[in-house]
Amino acid sequence: AQKVTQAQTEISVVEKEDVTLDCVYETRDTTYYLFWYKQPPSGELVFLIRRNSFDEQNEISGRYSWNFQKSTSSFNFTITASQVVDSAVYFCALRDRFGAQKLVFGQGTRLTINP
Amino acid sequence: GAVVSQHPSRVICKSGTSVKIECRSLDFQATTMFWYRQFPKKSLMLMATSNEGSKATYEQGVEKDKFLINHASLTLSTLTVTSAHPEDSSFYICSARERGREETQYFGPGTRLLVL
Repeated sequence: AQKVTQAQTEISVVEKEDVTLDCVYETRDTTYYLFWYKQPPSGELVFLIRRNSFDEQNEISGRYSWNFQKSTSSFNFTITASQVVDSAVYFCALRDRFGAQKLVFGQGTRLTINP
Repeated sequence: GAVVSQHPSRVICKSGTSVKIECRSLDFQATTMFWYRQFPKKSLMLMATSNEGSKATYEQGVEKDKFLINHASLTLSTLTVTSAHPEDSSFYICSARERGREETQYFGPGTRLLVL
């Protein structure tokens, strides 16, 4: 069975600090996708990134970066120079490429950036 | 980018009534649509998966007769909460996969349901 664990329930930092959100996953599939979504207070899920299991290159997009380590089944998300607008709940998710293709979400990490 | 809309965004109803929530893919054809439920400060839980023109596949523990799902076209799926009760109050989110680009799911803005 697939499982996504986000051990950090809540994180609170001061603006401009760097923060890393952890994500560990479990799957028996050899081919799968990993995702990060942002859910601001409005509730709408905002897609941030999709990573294929066969592509272990790390990715950077502005202040956001992702570290995919297949050996440790982790897909961590780092925000550098955090801003108040980054405050939201962040979800890591996993989906197998074949089979049922269901998107399985982690429990979410509530990130609060204080001015 | 792909846009998914939901209507209504918020609904308050009396216990015992039925509520219909619409999910539309505005600028793409959605081969598969998903319905999720999210309780406050909790994660998203998949309720059912629907493919256009066929019956929805419900997750274990989700009552089919309670949550009726219809996926009549490639751009529209509806969720009807029948005989709603206060415990059905939740945030309902739909999601859609684009035909030919099934790697990514796009989410609607969600519908907040409050049953009095």
